[in-house]
Formats: sequence, structure tokens, C-alpha cells
Amino acid sequence: DIVLTQSPASLAVSLGQRATISCRASQSVSTSSYSYMHWYQQKPGQPPKLLIKYASNLESGVPARFSGSGSGTDFTLNIHPVEEEDTATYYCQHSWEIPPTFGSGTKLEIK
Amino acid sequence: EVQLQQSGPELVKPGASMKISCKASGYSFTGYTMNWVKQSHGKNLEWIGLINPYNGGTSYNQKFKGKATLTVDKSSSTAYMELLSLTSEDSAVYYCARRGYERAMDYWGQGTSVTVSS
Repeated sequence: DIVLTQSPASLAVSLGQRATISCRASQSVSTSSYSYMHWYQQKPGQPPKLLIKYASNLESGVPARFSGSGSGTDFTLNIHPVEEEDTATYYCQHSWEIPPTFGSGTKLEIK
Repeated sequence: EVQLQQSGPELVKPGASMKISCKASGYSFTGYTMNWVKQSHGKNLEWIGLINPYNGGTSYNQKFKGKATLTVDKSSSTAYMELLSLTSEDSAVYYCARRGYERAMDYWGQGTSVTVSS
């Protein structure tokens, strides 16, 4: 199975600043056309919500302060400027093969 | 509006089996694969398996073979997951999640909490 290593496990960012979350895959999850990496946001008591698909494509209705980048094995989720409502845990997930796996999550706190 | 409505929380005894439902609405049920995901301790997310409602074809995470059985009822646009021989390790929140065309999980049910306790 592909292992996704997320870092940091938690971070605190001041309101209006940038949050950067990394996800490294144990093998490439990209072709020349697509990267099969997705990002989710989960707030307490709620299911995960899809933010970004194919590494950098913003899901409909998601604010433009969220952005994703990367290819191959290294991927990044950026949030800028962060808002109070962005307090949540963020997960990466690949869909390169069966089974899809998730990162261990990054808990974001807004200072 | 796409919605996935799951059945309510369950308290079950060790060794028992139980079934969770996920009723889909707002889209063509047979046009999208359905995933099932386990979340333990409010943190770790694990993919259990998926089912193609069109033909009933399934694919399971090796870890959950023999533990979970996925089925659908096309007439009611409902997906089901049966969990077998439950132990305390199966206590978790279980989600159904639609697989979008980009192979991301684009819509999720609200989750079903399962507690295994005598």
C-alpha cells in the first residue's frame, strides 16, 4: 500500500497568514497528465469535505484561499489568508491504486 | 442536491453483526461508485472498499475482507455495509462516500457511529 506522510501533525497560524501542509507519498501518484492526490477538510463532528482534487483543482464552492500543488511524490496544501473558520484537520488521500490511503492528518489552529 | 443519508448510531455486542445503510439522492445512483471509510478515534481514516451500484461489482481493502460486505439496492438507491463478528476494534465512525469522476470522494454521508460493547 502507498503510505502518505503528512507534516506537520499540527500547526498554529495567525489570522490572515499562510498555512502550509505537506504530504509525501511512498511512490509516485502522478502521470504526465494527472496527479491522483486529493485534499480534505474535516471539522469536529462532521464528515471530511473535499477541497482539492487532482492535486491542484479546487472543488466547486471552495474558497480561492485554498490551493494545492505538487506532483510525483510531494504535494502541498496552502491556505492564505487563513480565517477563523479554517480551524480543522486536513487530510491528503491518493487514488492511484487500490487501496486508496489517507495521510494521518494535520490539525490547524488559528491564533 | 447530492445527499447521502446514513442510518443512525449503533450499540452492538461483541460477536454480533450489523448493517449500515446509505441512501443516496440528487444524482444517478448507478452512475457513481460508492466507497466506505472507517474513522477510528476521531482521527485515522481507512478505506474499507467500494461497490459499483450499476453491476454490484466490489473491491475490498485486504484488511477488511471477511469483516465487511458491501451490497446495494438499486430500487431504493441505497448502499449497505454489513460488519461481521464485531469486536472492540470495530468501534468507529463509518462513512459512505461517493467516488467522483476524478476518483476523489466528492460527497460523504454524515457518518454512523458504531460502538461494540457488552
